Amino acid sequence: AQSVTQPDIHITVSEGASLELRCNYSYGATPYLFWYVQSPGQGLQLLLKYFSGDTLVQGIKGFEAEFKRSQSSFNLRKPSVHWSDAAEYFCAVGPYSGGGADGLTFGKGTHLIIQP
Amino acid sequence: NAGVTQTPKFQVLKTGQSMTLQCAQDMNHNSMYWYRQDPGMGLRLIYYSASEGTTDKGEVPNGYNVSRLNKREFSLRLESAAPSQTSVYFCASSGLTSGGSYEQYFGPGTRLTVT
Repeated sequence: AQSVTQPDIHITVSEGASLELRCNYSYGATPYLFWYVQSPGQGLQLLLKYFSGDTLVQGIKGFEAEFKRSQSSFNLRKPSVHWSDAAEYFCAVGPYSGGGADGLTFGKGTHLIIQP
Repeated sequence: NAGVTQTPKFQVLKTGQSMTLQCAQDMNHNSMYWYRQDPGMGLRLIYYSASEGTTDKGEVPNGYNVSRLNKREFSLRLESAAPSQTSVYFCASSGLTSGGSYEQYFGPGTRLTVT
């Protein structure tokens, strides 16, 4: 069965500092990987996705993520965080083929706190 | 283009009451999903519908039923609500992109409390 692990439940970062959120997955086939962000009381917004090709993918709001097949990882990074980045971040995995009809498997999330 | 809409936004039920959560999408997507989100648990798939006329169980289907009314609408029904069903419920839809990949789009959620 597929699974997604986000090892850090909470992360605190100073504004302007760099950020890395970790994600490891277990998947029996070629994975399709996502990062979503959720602000308090809101729905989920797609930050970026890895489908194929270049393993370093760029997303919205200055985020990027790198797919490392050998480490089964898809870590999210941002060079300089802003107070507005405070939110819950979810990593998710889905099937490469089939149009994702079977749904995604989500990690439990990482709560990002930004210190002034 | 409203994307994925859900009603209601908030609901309080007493144990044993029933209700239906409504979801609609206007993106002409084939696949639709219901997830629940609980603190510290992430999102877990309740049911999904890969296409109109089909539905399948996800990870946590017990206590729920679904109906794919047409291509646009996918409802979730709680026949006899229990406190363990207190959660935030998200509907999502998925469609292919021009690049051959796919993306899931989420509604704003329904916050359900069962007392």
